[in-house]
Amino acid sequence: QSVLTQPPSVSAAPGQKVTISCSGSSSNIGNNYVSWYQQLPGTAPKLLIYDNNKRPSGIPDRFSGSKSGTSATLGITGLQTGDEADYYCGTWDSSRGGVFGGGTKLTVL
Amino acid sequence: EVQLVESGGGLVQPGGSLRLSCAASGFTFSSYWMSWVRQAPGKGLEWVANIKQDGSEKYYVDSVKGRFTISRDNAKNSLYLQMNSLRAEDTAVYYCARDTTRIAVADQYFQHWGQGTLVTVSS
Repeated sequence: QSVLTQPPSVSAAPGQKVTISCSGSSSNIGNNYVSWYQQLPGTAPKLLIYDNNKRPSGIPDRFSGSKSGTSATLGITGLQTGDEADYYCGTWDSSRGGVFGGGTKLTVL
Repeated sequence: EVQLVESGGGLVQPGGSLRLSCAASGFTFSSYWMSWVRQAPGKGLEWVANIKQDGSEKYYVDSVKGRFTISRDNAKNSLYLQMNSLRAEDTAVYYCARDTTRIAVADQYFQHWGQGTLVTVSS
């Protein structure tokens, strides 16, 4: 069982918006930055969001991140079929070290 | 262009050892924390270990403490993971990941990843 809790799956139609939640505690999300990763099938993860809400260069502004207390959220607008992937949140935990959520599979219907 | 190329994976018997390597290029290797992250078949990501820029700090997930050792050679732009007493549950793709230039270990994120190397522990 992962330290950070994500929904196993989410789905939405092309063009719509979806959010993915990531719930933790004061030992991780509550006191550290959150990052988000996209993993397409058979490929290495790709950084989407770092420091809770910053996008690396090359990541479209359709992707956004936010954090409140011990939870974080990834938002994706204008869904495309190419967004179908697994999404992971990550942070540092004061007791366990680096931690990831269990991952959320996004289906674009 | 940032490149991280892992090598050293393969099939090993339970109780055996392997040494993974990660060759880095395209950035100032000695300025970055570096990490190993693994992914068991069909499962999610699991952070394994990281090492500070000068090698003075190292952290491990509990499940590998005492069995795995992370190290780096800044002169060779290389990261290593020595894995001993391997178990079936260590079977995974192991990714080398570039962490940050920050001093605090907690401010981690992984902007660049290698393609991964598969480690299979089986008799």
